[in-house]
Amino acid sequence: AQKITQTQPGMFVQEKEAVTLDCTYDTSDPSYGLFWYKQPSSGEMIFLIYQGSYDQQNATEGRYSLNFQKARKSANLVISASQLGDSAMYFCAMREGMDYGQNFVFGPGTRLSVLP
Amino acid sequence: DGGITQSPKYLFRKEGQNVTLSCEQNLNHDAMYWYRQDPGQGLRLIYYSQIVNDFQKGDIAEGYSVSREKKESFPLTVTSAQKNPTAFYLCASSRAREGAISSPLHFGNGTRLTVT
Repeated sequence: AQKITQTQPGMFVQEKEAVTLDCTYDTSDPSYGLFWYKQPSSGEMIFLIYQGSYDQQNATEGRYSLNFQKARKSANLVISASQLGDSAMYFCAMREGMDYGQNFVFGPGTRLSVLP
Repeated sequence: DGGITQSPKYLFRKEGQNVTLSCEQNLNHDAMYWYRQDPGQGLRLIYYSQIVNDFQKGDIAEGYSVSREKKESFPLTVTSAQKNPTAFYLCASSRAREGAISSPLHFGNGTRLTVT
């Protein structure tokens, strides 16, 4: 079974608008971390934002925020005021705490295209 | 500046040849990882290592081998037994052990391997 699901293979957004990228996860471990990464066409993986399973508040980092709904096991990434440079692949990932979280599990990714 | 260095950026080999991809980190991280990425796809774990002289197979270890003789280095050998080795390979590292659940993966810039 897929541990991380990203149901949107591709998304389009108009420049300056907000966009939400979906991520749902599956774990029985009470301790876990959720991460979002951006991969531009150059291939590098850029860490964007982190949410811990025990965090009470939704994480925010600049224009990025994470809509964390623990009961629904979802961790959607919200990008506000989209810029052309936001066009990239976006991956949701999870690190479980059982064995000190040695393995990261990645979702299949969502390709975001920002339109001028 | 601390980071992860992968070399070379592009690598071309003939079918039947073994090839070794280099990965060096100076972040003092215990854990290191190798991922494979095919075009338009997510990341798949090949091998990971939590400590020197120890490593574990990931989801797609067949046809690959690794070593971890030094904390800083985690080279990946793509052997001739790997049936479809042409791909983008990403090396990563992170903190390990207790309390590391919030530690993101830090990635190198990747190596694009083409085997003909």
